[in-house]
This record gives sequence, C-alpha cells and structure tokens, in this order.
Amino acid sequence: DAKTTQPTSMDCAEGRAANLPCNHSTISGNEYVYWYRQIHSQGPQYIIHGLKNNETNEMASLIITEDRKSSTLILPHATLRDTAVYYCIVSPPKSNYQLIWGAGTKLIIKP
Amino acid sequence: GAGVSQSPSNKVTEKGKDVELRCDPISGHTALYWYRQSLGQGLEFLIYFQGNSAPDKSGLPSDRFSAERTGGSVSTLTIQRTQQEDSAVYLCASSPDRGYQPQHFGDGTRLSIL
Repeated sequence: DAKTTQPTSMDCAEGRAANLPCNHSTISGNEYVYWYRQIHSQGPQYIIHGLKNNETNEMASLIITEDRKSSTLILPHATLRDTAVYYCIVSPPKSNYQLIWGAGTKLIIKP
Repeated sequence: GAGVSQSPSNKVTEKGKDVELRCDPISGHTALYWYRQSLGQGLEFLIYFQGNSAPDKSGLPSDRFSAERTGGSVSTLTIQRTQQEDSAVYLCASSPDRGYQPQHFGDGTRLSIL
C-alpha cells in the first residue's frame, strides 16, 4: 500500500475553510484515498473517499491532483467541533481492510 | 442508534487475567474489523471478518489474542493472560462489504492492565 505524508499540525480560524494536504506519491492506479478524523476519546469518523475525481459530500470536499500524487481535504466553514486528528489513507480496494494509519494531522480550530 | 456499538467502554483488569471485548456492528454489514490504538498513535490492524470467517488474522500480536464472530453479526475479541503492553483502546469497525466501501467505527474499549 502507498504511504502518505501529512503535516503534524495545523491551525485554522473558525468560519474559514480548512485545507488539509496529503502527499501519496507512490499511489497506484487502483488505490483509493480515504479521509477519516478522530475527535478526542472517540472512534475514527469516516469523512470522504475518492479514486480519481474530486468528491464532495455534506462534510467536506476532496480534491485529488491529476497525477493522483497528492490530495487536499477541504472543510468549507470550519467550526470548533472540527478540531480533531485527520487521517489520510490510501488502500487498494481488494484489501482495504488493511488500512495503514499514520499519525495524521492535528487540526485546531481557533475562535 | 444505528452505529457500531462496543462494550465495555472501559475495562480495568489485573495482569494475567483474561478479558473479552464485544462489538455489535451496523445491521447488515458483512465485514467487521478489529484495530488497536495505543496512546498518541495511529490504528494497528488486528483481524478482519467477512461473515463469520476471518480471512486475515495477520495482525493479531500473539496467540493470546483470538476473535470470533457468530451469526454474521456480533464479534468478541478475547485476550488471555493479559500483559501490561496490552493496554490500549480496542476499536471495532464494520462495512457493508469488503472493497472500497468505507469502514464505520465504534468508540472503542479502553483497556487498562494493572
């Protein structure tokens, strides 16, 4: 499975868009990009996933570069409740249970 | 609620005792996963079930760890002769099937070995 690189931590002002980058330069053609987040003392929460095209749902948008070597998770209007550790994971569909979790990005939303 | 339910939420036990952790997946989800998370770390895969079968047990750290799933639903993770290094949060997730569908997690069982 491809490895991912994320910044250790980021700050964002409440109400602004939070843009979380992820590098996955060794991604292969059939590997999906998944984003999860984990709020303190809770289990991880699924946010969004994609293969090639940009994706949007009620929580966030996922922008994947054309060469698929990096992606950005966008929280359009960050709130204090979005403070969490955000994990970017890539995994092939046939063994997606083997999600390889890195340390993620600690996102702090400031009032 | 309709989410993944884990019990107990917290478990404190003495070294050498056996513990059982329970996971109730989302109704209809055929795939079930167990992970372990140590303090400040990412998740470590333990075992995966498809129905009642466990095609991949490669993440179980030792033969003291075992898991079963019955009726294609509830799963139990058992740790025998617990050691202090077993202290962690044990997380369960389920998904409708294997493949690209995302996993949905419970809030975990925090296990502390004295």
